[in-house]
Amino acid sequence: SQQGEEDPQALSIQEGENATMNCSYKTSINNLQWYRQNSGRGLVHLILIRSNEREKHSGRLRVTLDTSKKSSSLLITASRAADTASYFCATPNQAGTALIFGKGTTLSVSS
Amino acid sequence: DARVTQTPRHKVTEMGQEVTMRCQPILGHNTVFWYRQTMMQGLELLAYFRNRAPLDDSGMPKDRFSAEMPDATLATLKIQPSEPRDSAVYFCASGLGAGSYTEAFFGQGTRLTVV
Repeated sequence: SQQGEEDPQALSIQEGENATMNCSYKTSINNLQWYRQNSGRGLVHLILIRSNEREKHSGRLRVTLDTSKKSSSLLITASRAADTASYFCATPNQAGTALIFGKGTTLSVSS
Repeated sequence: DARVTQTPRHKVTEMGQEVTMRCQPILGHNTVFWYRQTMMQGLELLAYFRNRAPLDDSGMPKDRFSAEMPDATLATLKIQPSEPRDSAVYFCASGLGAGSYTEAFFGQGTRLTVV
């Protein structure tokens, strides 16, 4: 399957701590995206990292990409209760025309 | 406030009935995706369109599902006849672009329950 796989499946932390989620994929990609989904809502795009980039930042988010290991990580620093959500990585399908999503990491941040 | 609009938000129907879900993509977006989300399978890509033309619907059960885009402001996903295993949240997403760099903007989803 081309689907990325997130790890861990679930993560519980305290406010102020950092949260790290990982995504592994099987085939070569030209980009990888991360999305967030709040309970009962649609997914929201967080960040896109291209295959020639190793690291990218957006506010409290830091994404890394290691194409040799076929893996990516999403780091949320100084987490807040509002960060509680499911986080998904998305990789291109074989044709490179659509996104395939993993099953997600459910993050719970308690205050 | 540009957003993808899906109707209905919730649908409960009996097995065997026809179900039609509608999606209004963001104005100007040229790509529309349909995904299905379940606890077991996660998010599955069902079908997608670019410039209203179907690009791939290999993720859909062909015998009962159909997806169309009658005009640039409306995409539909139809299930006939519906079965309990079709119970899921169906998401429409739209984007602007020609490849996998497209950022997908998701609607709120249609929660379908088939009893």
